Amino acid sequence: DADVTQTPRNRITKTGKRIMLECSQTKGHDRMYWYRQDPGLGLRLIYYSFDVKDINKGEISDGYSVSRQAQAKFSLSLESAIPNQTALYFCATSDQQQGTRGYTFGSGTRLTVV
Amino acid sequence: AQTVTQSQPEMSVQEAETVTLSCTYDTSENNYYLFWYKQPPSRQMILVIRQEAYKQQNATENRFSVNFQKAAKSFSLKISDSQLGDTAMYFCAFMPTGTASKLTFGTGTRLQVTL
Repeated sequence: DADVTQTPRNRITKTGKRIMLECSQTKGHDRMYWYRQDPGLGLRLIYYSFDVKDINKGEISDGYSVSRQAQAKFSLSLESAIPNQTALYFCATSDQQQGTRGYTFGSGTRLTVV
Repeated sequence: AQTVTQSQPEMSVQEAETVTLSCTYDTSENNYYLFWYKQPPSRQMILVIRQEAYKQQNATENRFSVNFQKAAKSFSLKISDSQLGDTAMYFCAFMPTGTASKLTFGTGTRLQVTL
């Protein structure tokens, strides 16, 4: 099984719908992140959490919310999806002690809003 | 705030040849880490190589090496003996030291390895 699992892998949804992307990890890492990837823009940070009770906005948090249900689970919600939220979404994890060694990424969720 | 710039949106190289991908960054930090990530068509993000800014020696991982120029804030990736499996998007990323640090990515370079 993958260390960081994202579900669903692909999703098509309609404008205005609420959608949740889920992420779970078996790394035992305390830190979790949500990034969004768009062509020509790279990966941009949406939200991050350094422990269960810690939630922080990234550079592009508008239109998104998150929930850290447990150390191993971090979900991203789009309250009312819009077409410009069509993107590839990545969850990542890191350890406070070893975070400078880089992140562990999930395999991504490709979201299309029509 | 830190910024990471990859000025080459696309590159192409023939199999067995060498290619260099460019990356520059802007920061006021003195201590930080730099990374290159590979994203093949499977879209998985794979760490290729990591450089610690306080180390003058350039990092090397098999066919992958970096040219780290701290004063110029440059961090290029050299791929030697290119293989078809190197075809991917490559992202440069920056992380300052400190307990609240996060990765900042460049916009990526799409590399195509051809026969």
